[in-house]
Amino acid sequence: GDSVTQTEGPVTVSESESLIINCTYSATSIAYPNLFWYVRYPGEGLQLLLKVITAGQKGSSRGFEATYNKETTSFHLQKASVQESDSAVYYCALGDDSGYNKLTFGKGTVLLVSP
Amino acid sequence: GGIITQTPKFLIGQEGQKLTLKCQQNFNHDTMYWYRQDSGKGLRLIYYSITENDLQKGDLSEGYDASREKKSSFSLTVTSAQKNEMAVFLCASRRQGGEVFFGKGTRLTVV
Repeated sequence: GDSVTQTEGPVTVSESESLIINCTYSATSIAYPNLFWYVRYPGEGLQLLLKVITAGQKGSSRGFEATYNKETTSFHLQKASVQESDSAVYYCALGDDSGYNKLTFGKGTVLLVSP
Repeated sequence: GGIITQTPKFLIGQEGQKLTLKCQQNFNHDTMYWYRQDSGKGLRLIYYSITENDLQKGDLSEGYDASREKKSSFSLTVTSAQKNEMAVFLCASRRQGGEVFFGKGTRLTVV
């Protein structure tokens, strides 16, 4: 079946340091997968951070970016300089191409940014 | 903007009990979803609905029923709660071609 594997947390970085959270996927039943990063801040609901629906393209939001690499089946999340407010749980997700956007999620990565 | 409201926030049930979780959205979205999250695992799709009175099974539908009597609401029933079960249930909605929005979840504990 389809699956997503991401960096196991918690990941702890200091403010202003760079960040990478790895995500790889297996899309055995999806011809043209869409890729997403979702984030859950403390006390909030899960929300979309960024998405890319075309292989080779890069998505970006709030200083984060991720490139859809079909060759390596990866969608790593990066940020050049994190802030304390980036502390949250990050989920990589794979969307199907049925039109109904059924999502397959990774386990989530807890990010802790220390001041 | 809109909001997805899930009730209750916390649900404690007994083994074998039938339990119902409710979800309301005021986005006027067509598609709604129920996901389950267990500790240390990703979210898994239980049921989804593409319009009022439509129900589609996800990967984890066994042991659950769902109901979509109105466009704005989508309920999930645990048909027989399993002892020591603990999970968070997330409701979500989406308009065609748009972003998926999630509620804050219902945390279930079965004693």
